[in-house]
Amino acid sequence: QPVLTQSSSASASLGSSVKLTCTLSSGHSSSIIAWHQQQPGKAPRYLMKVERSGSYNKGSGVPDRFSGSSSGADRYLTISNLQSEDEADYYCETWDTNTRVFGGGTKLTVL
Amino acid sequence: DVQLVQPGAEVKKPGESLKISCETSGYSFTNYWIAWVRQMPGRGLEWMGIIYPGDSDIKYSPSFQGQVTISADKSISTAYLQWSSLKASDTAMYYCARLRGGMDVWGQGTTVIVSS
Repeated sequence: QPVLTQSSSASASLGSSVKLTCTLSSGHSSSIIAWHQQQPGKAPRYLMKVERSGSYNKGSGVPDRFSGSSSGADRYLTISNLQSEDEADYYCETWDTNTRVFGGGTKLTVL
Repeated sequence: DVQLVQPGAEVKKPGESLKISCETSGYSFTNYWIAWVRQMPGRGLEWMGIIYPGDSDIKYSPSFQGQVTISADKSISTAYLQWSSLKASDTAMYYCARLRGGMDVWGQGTTVIVSS
């Protein structure tokens, strides 16, 4: 089954940009992934899905500041013009016929 | 609007049984898989299992197979997660989510506290 690897933490300044990475394990580099945001004390929120081609499809109401991209086995979430409310945990998710997998999550701190 | 509504909290004693619900609205319940996800305090998200309400096809994560039971009632567009004998280690937040590729709509979660 696929494995997703994420850095445990990231930080960036208010108003700047940050790029978070989710890496697919060997043999699964063509998989689609989804990004989710979990603000402190809240349920996760679907942000977008990102395909191998780099095309991405955002969920309803997700600000334009959020975008996705891809390179090889890496799938990215870029947040531009960082706001204080972007401080959250970010999880990637993938799936195959019989399983779903989450990455360990990246805790983003907005300085 | 698509909505998944879960009860806020359940407090139980070890050994007791529990069934929590995920009431859906705003879409065709029988046409989408529903997932259950565990989040233990201070930890990440763990996939528990998924159900397709249209035909009750269920797939469990190996980590949760035999530990929980997932079901659905088409007549009231509601999915369920149940335990027959709770343990203290079942204390966690439990989320349901609709699957549309990824988990595209989440419930607000049910806190389950198991304590003597």
